[in-house]
Amino acid sequence: SYELTQPSSVSVSPGQTARITCSGDIVAKKYVRWFQQKPGQAPVVVIYKDSERPSGIPERFSGSISGTTVTLTISGAQVEDESDYYCYSAADNRGVFGGGTKLTVL
Amino acid sequence: EVQLVESGGGLVKPGGSLRLSCAASGFTFSSYSMNWVRQAPGAGLEWVSSISSVSTYINYADSVKGRFTISRDNAKNSLYLQLNSLRADDTAVYYCARDISDLDYWGQGTLVTVSS
Repeated sequence: SYELTQPSSVSVSPGQTARITCSGDIVAKKYVRWFQQKPGQAPVVVIYKDSERPSGIPERFSGSISGTTVTLTISGAQVEDESDYYCYSAADNRGVFGGGTKLTVL
Repeated sequence: EVQLVESGGGLVKPGGSLRLSCAASGFTFSSYSMNWVRQAPGAGLEWVSSISSVSTYINYADSVKGRFTISRDNAKNSLYLQLNSLRADDTAVYYCARDISDLDYWGQGTLVTVSS
């Protein structure tokens, strides 16, 4: 079965660029999407198909891919971006999440 | 507007059973695969199970295989998860989500607590 590996935490000051990585063999084969989850809420997609941004998501959110690693970049992170972030992919009708990254902006 | 509403969670003893439901509206339910995803307290998201649009393909995470059963009723726009032989580590909020590749819409979740 596939696995996705994320750092457990990332910390930046407001206005700095935050980068969260997600690595795994499935990244080179299938699209990855990124979810933002705030406490007590369902996850919300912020990036899909590795680098596409849904409507309504701020332009400071972007995604990129290199080999078996995708990266979520938040350029000029805001305090309101402080959340848990999860990468996700699926193959053969089986889904897999990364372990999640707690982003702290302070 | 797409809506997914889970129900059926609650407190159950170890070894017990529970049936979760997810009522879907606002889209053609029979055209989409559906999924269950769970999140234990303070932990990350875990994909649990998926079922294809007409139930042809069904898959489970290794952690629940043989204990949980996913099903759907396209006539009732409903998704189900039968939870048997429950253990303490099954305690989690259970979400239903649309489409295995996208998980583009989620419900608000239903809490399952396994405790004696």
